Amino acid sequence: EAQVTQNPRYLITVTGKKLTVTCSQNMNHEYMSWYRQDPGLGLRQIYYSMNVEVTDKGDVPEGYKVSRKEKRNFPLILESPSPNQTSLYFCASSPQGRSNQPQHFGDGTRLSIL
Amino acid sequence: DAKTTQPNSMESNEEEPVHLPCNHSTISGTDYIHWYRQLPSQGPEYVIHGLTSNVNNRMASLAIAEDRKSSTLILHRATLRDAAVYYCILRDASNTGKLIFGQGTTLQVKP
Repeated sequence: EAQVTQNPRYLITVTGKKLTVTCSQNMNHEYMSWYRQDPGLGLRQIYYSMNVEVTDKGDVPEGYKVSRKEKRNFPLILESPSPNQTSLYFCASSPQGRSNQPQHFGDGTRLSIL
Repeated sequence: DAKTTQPNSMESNEEEPVHLPCNHSTISGTDYIHWYRQLPSQGPEYVIHGLTSNVNNRMASLAIAEDRKSSTLILHRATLRDAAVYYCILRDASNTGKLIFGQGTTLQVKP
């Protein structure tokens, strides 16, 4: 089954403790992206990747890092998490990210930073 | 990025058709119209997209106005599972692949 898999689904942690949210897709997609969803603000793009070793900032990249060493994986790294990064996070992928291509989303990761 | 306007909420009865409107008066000639939905506690789910012509797939139909300044997502027979937030999104030809989600329309389906 074609899918985007995120782990963990839920995480409660403390300020400053590095964490990584993994994202993996099995559709051989070149394009992958991370969003965060907050009440009243909708979904906002954090980072995106057009292909392996190619990443770029989205609208809200501060406090986040990403890497794209393999096509299937696009981890989101919070090196020193802070409470304002408490949010619901979604990973997405599409064949090349073109405007006529649908995007597939994971089920989300709910992060709480205390 | 061109903006879309949708009603905040709509109600429908189960097994009846639902027409979800979207206005996008500043759409450019190369913008694709996409619809996604988000069910409670899930990630956004692609529904349908189109450029100029009406489109049908197994989930829904998309009717696009001749001037492309508005579109309507049509669910032919609403089920309880269709209760979700529906987002109308314009995708331009930029390279970021970014989806700009507005507030969407919350669809309530009554049994």
